[in-house]
Amino acid sequence: EPEVTQTPSHQVTQMGQEVILRCVPISNHLYFYWYRQILGQKVEFLVSFYNNEISEKSEIFDDQFSVERPDGSNFTLKIRSTKLEDSAMYFCASSVGTGGEQYFGPGTRLTVT
Amino acid sequence: DAKTTQPPSMDCAEGRAANLPCNHSTISGNEYVYWYRQIHSQGPQYIIHGLKNNETNEMASLIITEDRKSSTLILPHATLRDTAVYYCIVRVWVQGAQKLVFGQGTRLTINP
Repeated sequence: EPEVTQTPSHQVTQMGQEVILRCVPISNHLYFYWYRQILGQKVEFLVSFYNNEISEKSEIFDDQFSVERPDGSNFTLKIRSTKLEDSAMYFCASSVGTGGEQYFGPGTRLTVT
Repeated sequence: DAKTTQPPSMDCAEGRAANLPCNHSTISGNEYVYWYRQIHSQGPQYIIHGLKNNETNEMASLIITEDRKSSTLILPHATLRDTAVYYCIVRVWVQGAQKLVFGQGTRLTINP
């Protein structure tokens, strides 16, 4: 069964450093998403992406964040200058169409020290 | 999207049916009810969704009341692996990428 994959599973970085989180969505999916979950808190939407453009972004997704689909398979989230409060699980998701169910990856645990 | 209310926690014995309620009294006619679950710290997993008819798939059944103000997710024969946080999400079906808004959900514990 096809699944969303994410790398790395755990990333430790120092405050102020740039990180890139990688995702490979399911191959025939067209819509892509990033969510994050701070330990013990709710899953929060960050950004959605379709047709090589951001469709919607939350207040959390400020200028420090960017997303890219550099080729036909990868979908990346970049945090330019990490802060301690960026420590969280980051989940990538994809869906085949609008209104459809979203399939989530296993997440990347980002720890900023 | 309409607000949903779920009990914070529930217990169920292994092998029994787990019935998880969700209240969405302000749901509008074009809003669907989606259920997801999150096992420990894994990514959320889609379970089922419906508009007004009852739905069943290999994972669960979804019962939506006739007035659509509430719904129940049924796991017919719960196993220990069904221990998870279950989220009821109501959202409109529209063209374009649509975010999911997660609440606190119901923490379901399946006991041996």
